[in-house]
Amino acid sequence: GAVVSQHPSRVICKSGTSVKIECRSLDFQATTMFWYRQFPKKSLMLMATSNEGSKATYEQGVEKDKFLINHASLTLSTLTVTSAHPEDSSFYICSARDPLAGGRETQYFGPGTRLLVL
Amino acid sequence: AQSVSQHNHHVILSEAASLELGCNYSYGGTVNLFWYVQYPGQHLQLLLKYFSGDPLVKGIKGFEAEFIKSKFSFNLRKPSVQWSDTAEYFCAVYNNNDMRFGAGTRLTVKP
Repeated sequence: GAVVSQHPSRVICKSGTSVKIECRSLDFQATTMFWYRQFPKKSLMLMATSNEGSKATYEQGVEKDKFLINHASLTLSTLTVTSAHPEDSSFYICSARDPLAGGRETQYFGPGTRLLVL
Repeated sequence: AQSVSQHNHHVILSEAASLELGCNYSYGGTVNLFWYVQYPGQHLQLLLKYFSGDPLVKGIKGFEAEFIKSKFSFNLRKPSVQWSDTAEYFCAVYNNNDMRFGAGTRLTVKP
């Protein structure tokens, strides 16, 4: 199946700093990528939908100025957590939709990025 | 907004036992249904999906799921689990560019 990578896999930062997480589709072009946040013992929460060349669509309750999303190319979307605080510590997962795959709704997930804000 | 419910938070089984994980969704229109698995330390992987046609869907590793429209359910089954099936299982429902996940069910298979 299609491969999606994330970098870094783990990051520790100080409170108040910004952290950038990259999501890449390695063997297909993804016009749409999704960013999720996974809380312990809870479901994946969709944060935003990222469309190449346009502004991201954020879910209700997600601060777009805090979680900056850029989808500059068909294979790369970035999530920047600005002025991170300890409550932002979480597991962030991206996924990408391959429009040419059988079933447009199938999403391929990255391995996730563990963010710890001290 | 649609929602997805997984009623079992943690299921513990012995090897060779049969498995059924429940998944119910709230949306009444046409949906696409998925089961994803997350093995310890790994990322989400697609187990199986239903778009249309035969409501009994076969997936990888001996898993299957049955879509029952009247019950808004898409339960995951496996006749005989193995220790290697220990993982977290997520049901997901897609409709109109909206993908929602259930809270997940942790499966522990004892050898």
